[in-house]
Amino acid sequence: GENVEQHPSTLSVQEGDSAVIKCTYSDSASNYFPWYKQELGKGPQLIIDIRSNVGEKKDQRIAVTLNKTAKHFSLHITETQPEDSAVYFCAASTRNTGGFKTIFGAGTRLFVKA
Amino acid sequence: KAGVTQTPRYLIKTRGQQVTLSCSPISGHRSVSWYQQTPGQGLQFLFEYFSETQRNKGNFPGRFSGRQFSNSRSEMNVSTLELGDSALYLCASSLVSSMNTEAFFGQGTRLTVV
Repeated sequence: GENVEQHPSTLSVQEGDSAVIKCTYSDSASNYFPWYKQELGKGPQLIIDIRSNVGEKKDQRIAVTLNKTAKHFSLHITETQPEDSAVYFCAASTRNTGGFKTIFGAGTRLFVKA
Repeated sequence: KAGVTQTPRYLIKTRGQQVTLSCSPISGHRSVSWYQQTPGQGLQFLFEYFSETQRNKGNFPGRFSGRQFSNSRSEMNVSTLELGDSALYLCASSLVSSMNTEAFFGQGTRLTVV
């Protein structure tokens, strides 16, 4: 079945450094790739997304890249801050007849050390 | 505008009982998806409803069911509870158009089965 692999499972960086999280998806029909940030006790919150007709998207310190041929997409956070510490999930969404289905990666726990 | 509301926030049930969880989507959103989140399995897709119809279903046993009402509010039911059903159940709503599948999550219902 469809799956999304996410690496690494844990990432620790120094404040000000960059963090990169990588995902691979299996369903070639996937056409929407959101990234979510989940803080303790809260539901996931969308931080950036990219569609299959775009290769890269940037929003301030956050950027996402997509390689459709290789079925890879990555999240890049620059100038990390302690408040970036959270669990990050990638997801691949596939539209089928009348609806859509989203498969999530297993998550990356990011620690930003002050 | 108000976000996605899930009730109750916390629930403790005994094995063999059944439980109903509720989700009120963002006003105007017609699609509601449910997910189970556990430390070991991450975010697992349960099902998606749109206009009172289930359009997609994940790989969960028939004990997990749901429905959606005409006002887009959705309920999820789990019958004959097992210890392994202990998890955070998340609901997400979307304003579905041909391109926009951004999902907004609620804070979840934490179910503990004892």
